[in-house]
Amino acid sequence: NAGVTQTPKFQVLKTGQSMTLQCAQDMNHNSMYWYRQDPGMGLRLIYYSASEGTTDKGEVPNGYNVSRLNKREFSLRLESAAPSQTSVYFCASSEYREVPGLPRRQELTGELFFGEGSRLTVL
Amino acid sequence: QKEVEQDPGPLSVPEGAIVSLNCTYSNSAFQYFMWYRQYSRKGPELLMYTYSSGNKEDGRFTAQVDKSSKYISLFIRDSQPSDSATYLCNAGGTSYGKLTFGQGTILTVHP
Repeated sequence: NAGVTQTPKFQVLKTGQSMTLQCAQDMNHNSMYWYRQDPGMGLRLIYYSASEGTTDKGEVPNGYNVSRLNKREFSLRLESAAPSQTSVYFCASSEYREVPGLPRRQELTGELFFGEGSRLTVL
Repeated sequence: QKEVEQDPGPLSVPEGAIVSLNCTYSNSAFQYFMWYRQYSRKGPELLMYTYSSGNKEDGRFTAQVDKSSKYISLFIRDSQPSDSATYLCNAGGTSYGKLTFGQGTILTVHP
């Protein structure tokens, strides 16, 4: 049971280089997320995709782009890496559930399944 | 203002102590409340999941939700060194996709 898989696990970049972090989930979830985690800052949402074909900005989107390639895959791209983007990046997925007592109403429960993280250092 | 705010800690307690971790949230539409545990160099994992108000108990862990005050708590009884981790709270239950976390509390339980 793979769950959420991120690649690469580690990467060192020079300022100005570009790279793409890949994420794939095998749980057939509709929603996918990219977070970054920095000491003292907790998990901050970069971008999310509520469903295939849609993407939206989170708390800290500047300097990043995303692509929801299909239902399984959600990639994060750094076009011109900066030292401030040194961080641990986590991909996650989640699902909507039927609201108890309201059969045709769907809600996002907030139960997230995370990958193992990608440690990125920008020199 | 973040939708979910958490006491940042860090928190250091002796083994056997009762630990209380707390969060507040701002969106009254939230119905699902979660606590995640994250060990060093790992991704967060779901620890406790509560729907609506009330308490939920699982072994040494109790999750408590007070919707009237928009307050979420996690209690750890008889804390162990293996409980040393970062604890993150989260809330959900809306029809849009954005899910944000509290800042996380680093807990250290020393022998």
